[in-house]
Amino acid sequence: KQEVTQIPAALSVPEGENLVLNCSFTDSAIYNLQWFRQDPGKGLTSLLLIQSSQREQTSGRLNASLDKSSGRSTLYIAASQPGDSATYLCAVKKGSGAGSYQLTFGKGTKLSVIP
Amino acid sequence: GAGVSQSPRYKVAKRGQDVALRCDPISGHVSLFWYQQALGQGPEFLTYFQNEAQLDKSGLPSDRFFAERPEGSVSTLKIQRTQQEDSAVYLCASSSYGRQETQYFGPGTRLLVL
Repeated sequence: KQEVTQIPAALSVPEGENLVLNCSFTDSAIYNLQWFRQDPGKGLTSLLLIQSSQREQTSGRLNASLDKSSGRSTLYIAASQPGDSATYLCAVKKGSGAGSYQLTFGKGTKLSVIP
Repeated sequence: GAGVSQSPRYKVAKRGQDVALRCDPISGHVSLFWYQQALGQGPEFLTYFQNEAQLDKSGLPSDRFFAERPEGSVSTLKIQRTQQEDSAVYLCASSSYGRQETQYFGPGTRLLVL
């Protein structure tokens, strides 16, 4: 069974710092990996999606990398802002077979950016 | 619509009551998913529909949980004889057809069972 782990569970940084969030998964046979953002009382917003054949994706100040063979992904946030404060979730989609449409999530990293 | 909507946003139920949670997916989206998110945890898969067909219900925790999507649009998740461990946020997501498509999530229904 796929297991997704996110480290750290919580992170507090001053505004303007660059930061890295980590995600690891136990089964490297994935179809893709997504990073989501979740604000309190709201649903999930997709930030970046990396296909299994890709190494990284970028959107604005966000950069996500994927090392499928080692079962790791990182989300890099440049020049953090207070508006980046949220919980960041990593999710993987299975490569094939039963359950290949569902997402398996980590528990998330709660980020606080201090003004 | 503009996004996935869910109702009610909050639901308080006494233990033993039945509840029904509604999801309105993005118009035209073929795929619909339900996830359960306990406090401090990531979402966990419950069930998946493609149009009106329920293709995967492997994540439903017990036979008290039932989901339907009779016309291939709106979906309802029903929980019978609710128990305290059912307290969680229930998230609905929809996507266009195909595994490569992004799932778009609704705001969730927060269920509290007393």
